[in-house]
Amino acid sequence: QSALTQPASVSGSPGQSITISCTGTSSDVGGYNYVSWYQQHPGKAPKLMIYEVSNRPSGVSNRFSGSKSGNTASLTISGLQTEDEADYYCSSFTSSSTWVFGGGTKLTVL
Amino acid sequence: EVQLVESGGGLVQPGGSLRLSCAASGFTFSGHWMHWVRQAPGKGLVWVSRINSDGSSTTYADSVKGRLTISRDNAKNTLHLQMNSLRAEDTAVYFCARGPYSGSGSYYVGDVWGQGTTVTVSS
Repeated sequence: QSALTQPASVSGSPGQSITISCTGTSSDVGGYNYVSWYQQHPGKAPKLMIYEVSNRPSGVSNRFSGSKSGNTASLTISGLQTEDEADYYCSSFTSSSTWVFGGGTKLTVL
Repeated sequence: EVQLVESGGGLVQPGGSLRLSCAASGFTFSGHWMHWVRQAPGKGLVWVSRINSDGSSTTYADSVKGRLTISRDNAKNTLHLQMNSLRAEDTAVYFCARGPYSGSGSYYVGDVWGQGTTVTVSS
């Protein structure tokens, strides 16, 4: 199972919005509404930010939103804050009943 | 407090074995799927394995199939990962993660994660 494709890095200024893409295939992202997004600060455990494409767990800011079109899912962060600087990973359930992560995107808040 | 605490990591020679554990507390462990995810130094997250709530069903990434075995003891609220025939490329931080409640219809990897335990495979 190949990793989902994410941009290596994105950046934005405080208050701006950014979008991180996550491209897979019809066997994973495109085939199921089971895409999730994780935030990971250096040396810390990942944190679930979005599940089932666009659902936010309790306690996650509504500045984080998710969507999907075809084989590509997206995470949008609006009103960027310095604490949003972290690595972000997408993940999808697959047709093999396994899971796959993206390579990760480093978000820099300038 | 909902918590997962991994243990059992360490330095092991290529071809050796190690058994990781993940102690769960603060929630109904027996009701949730559980996952192992690993992260090599400076690299991204890689899904390793999943076990259903009663331990009757398991799935693995191709890279670990036949060498790593996931199991659980619901009486002791503990998840395990038996690691055999270890290779240098298995060197990573291993995280356990709480999956969705059985029957919920969700398929995320984890809404609660442990802090990770480090496995180093080297001679």
